[in-house]
Amino acid sequence: QAVLAQPSSLSASPGASASLTCTLRSGINVGTYRIYWYQQKPGSPPQYLLKYKSDSDKQQGSGVPSRFSGSKDASANAGILLISGLQSEDEADYYCMIWHSSAWVFGGGTKLTVL
Amino acid sequence: QVQLVQSGAEVKKPGASVKVSCKASGYTFTSSDIHWVRQATGQGLEWMGWMNPNSGNTGYAQKFQGRVTMTRNTSIRTAYLELSSLRSEDTAMYFCARGAWFDSWGQGTLVTVSS
Repeated sequence: QAVLAQPSSLSASPGASASLTCTLRSGINVGTYRIYWYQQKPGSPPQYLLKYKSDSDKQQGSGVPSRFSGSKDASANAGILLISGLQSEDEADYYCMIWHSSAWVFGGGTKLTVL
Repeated sequence: QVQLVQSGAEVKKPGASVKVSCKASGYTFTSSDIHWVRQATGQGLEWMGWMNPNSGNTGYAQKFQGRVTMTRNTSIRTAYLELSSLRSEDTAMYFCARGAWFDSWGQGTLVTVSS
């Protein structure tokens, strides 16, 4: 079972909100981890969006719009990237990442389609 | 502004080695770790390891132990990734990324391993 699981794809309409989940493997408590989020568009390197551990321990990437925000769902043992007011330019792959067992671990990524 | 500029594409035969460079500008090179991440075509991100440009200390993902070497030349603000005993599965885009949360990325270097 992968350390981080992300749905492979998600579709949403322009102007709507999209909630991208990053579920930690059973036995790994999301509450103890800082979760990092990246956006990658075709042919480009990933770009850092934000990190989130709690409302008192979070950081927005430089120049990243406030409509991108992080949170957690403890009941689902998952980190969440919420994108509000979706725009066509938000169509991209999104990856989560954590530091686990002395290594950086990425989720498999979610392809967000805005249509 | 922070920039990481990587060397050009490489084509190597199985069993050979490849060395990719990552030249930093816009910040103090020795103040931030450099990470290396790779991505096979159409696949997700995979962390390979990190290097502290100040001390030269390194940490490698278990998967690459024994095959990867990360070095630097501080006089020219350049980090290097060397991967040996190449096999077809190493065909991928290789990225360098800066800092504790990968806030800036190089443009990527495509390494193709083919006989």
